[in-house]
Amino acid sequence: GAGVSQSPRYKVAKRGQDVALRCDPISGHVSLFWYQQALGQGPEFLTYFQNEAQLDKSGLPSDRFFAERPEGSVSTLKIQRTQQEDSAVYLCASNLEGAVNSEAFFGQGTRLTVV
Amino acid sequence: RKEVEQDPGPFNVPEGATVAFNCTYSNSASQSFFWYRQDCRKEPKLLMSVYSSGNEDGRFTAQLNRASQYISLLIRDSKLSDSATYLCVVNKFQGAQKLVFGQGTRLTINP
Repeated sequence: GAGVSQSPRYKVAKRGQDVALRCDPISGHVSLFWYQQALGQGPEFLTYFQNEAQLDKSGLPSDRFFAERPEGSVSTLKIQRTQQEDSAVYLCASNLEGAVNSEAFFGQGTRLTVV
Repeated sequence: RKEVEQDPGPFNVPEGATVAFNCTYSNSASQSFFWYRQDCRKEPKLLMSVYSSGNEDGRFTAQLNRASQYISLLIRDSKLSDSATYLCVVNKFQGAQKLVFGQGTRLTINP
């Protein structure tokens, strides 16, 4: 596709519900990132993939958060047993691996509200 | 201490003014540096990369001081359309990429 695509754009979940957020990166982009952005804050790193390999998951806040990218293209971020503090915008980005100063392109994000 | 620190502002300046933002980073292994712009309820978009030699793109000038671990952005002759949040971003390559964002500096240009 022309850009990074995320779905759904908006998700309202009841506390305790599981959610799955999808990211479709730019074709050919090896690297994929997930970020969590709370209101008034900068994006906080969650996890990084190089192709299908999850090389860094140090930012995942708890074991309720799980991300995968099984075929090295589309990625899914899953949050189990959602809590109110999970309410945020979840951003996905992709870039070319190995290029110094490679621009990261972001999707429009999924706004998750846990009620 | 956050890895990338910015003054969150808000900065309110009149149209035509010059405004400067600063950012510091804590990890000396950081290898590439950027300013991103984020409009309200939109995704971040690259404004410009930042090089040690300094670089300019029209009204925007970015500087990097590796010794002081300090990044700056200067906007000259500000326009109403420059109103946005400006995010300082640092990329570390330590086996894997990691783009680390500052909190962002909110700028409002007033007519």
